[in-house]
Amino acid sequence: GQNIDQPTEMTATEGAIVQINCTYQTSGFNGLFWYQQHAGEAPTFLSYNVLDGLEEKGRFSSFLSRSKGYSYLLLKELQMKDSASYLCAVIVSYNTDKLIFGTGTRLQVFP
Amino acid sequence: SAVISQKPSRDICQRGTSLTIQCQVDSQVTMMFWYRQQPGQSLTLIATANQGSEATYESGFVIDKFPISRPNLTFSTLTVSNMSPEDSSIYLCSSTNRGGETQYFGPGTRLLVL
Repeated sequence: GQNIDQPTEMTATEGAIVQINCTYQTSGFNGLFWYQQHAGEAPTFLSYNVLDGLEEKGRFSSFLSRSKGYSYLLLKELQMKDSASYLCAVIVSYNTDKLIFGTGTRLQVFP
Repeated sequence: SAVISQKPSRDICQRGTSLTIQCQVDSQVTMMFWYRQQPGQSLTLIATANQGSEATYESGFVIDKFPISRPNLTFSTLTVSNMSPEDSSIYLCSSTNRGGETQYFGPGTRLLVL
């Protein structure tokens, strides 16, 4: 079976740094996505990792370790608008590629 | 990036009826998917919509309940059949870009079954 785990909820303060972890146990791993989803909206793409290491995009960075089945999303200089759900999703390959989502982490940023 | 539109954006339906949701992508894509997101939860993959052949369903989802069509590379439909209140959810269409390194989502269809 496929297992993708994230913390359910996190809180942080404006201007701080927060790290959202994701662990996965899947077959046929072919890459990992992070998405941001505000309440009532569709998920929006944040990052994609397929090789081990850190990918940086402005205030957001994502890290992957394939051997450990582990990823994290790092958000720096937090802003109130970063309050949202953050979804970790793994591409699994079985006949075709498909994207399987983790449970999602609801982040609340306080002033 | 692909732009994905869905119709209807929301609907309120009676138990026992069926609703067909349309998904249109503005460019030719290889993979199209349908997801369900129940209130307060993450996304669950319903099926992969295959062009010109039957969709590939995930465990717990069957063709009789969720028939899917994909007549060409840019369009797909999902029907929610014989609806019950448990089908109240957001249904999202998704597609990948050519390289597969980005997957985009439509705005979703919010369905309430009474």
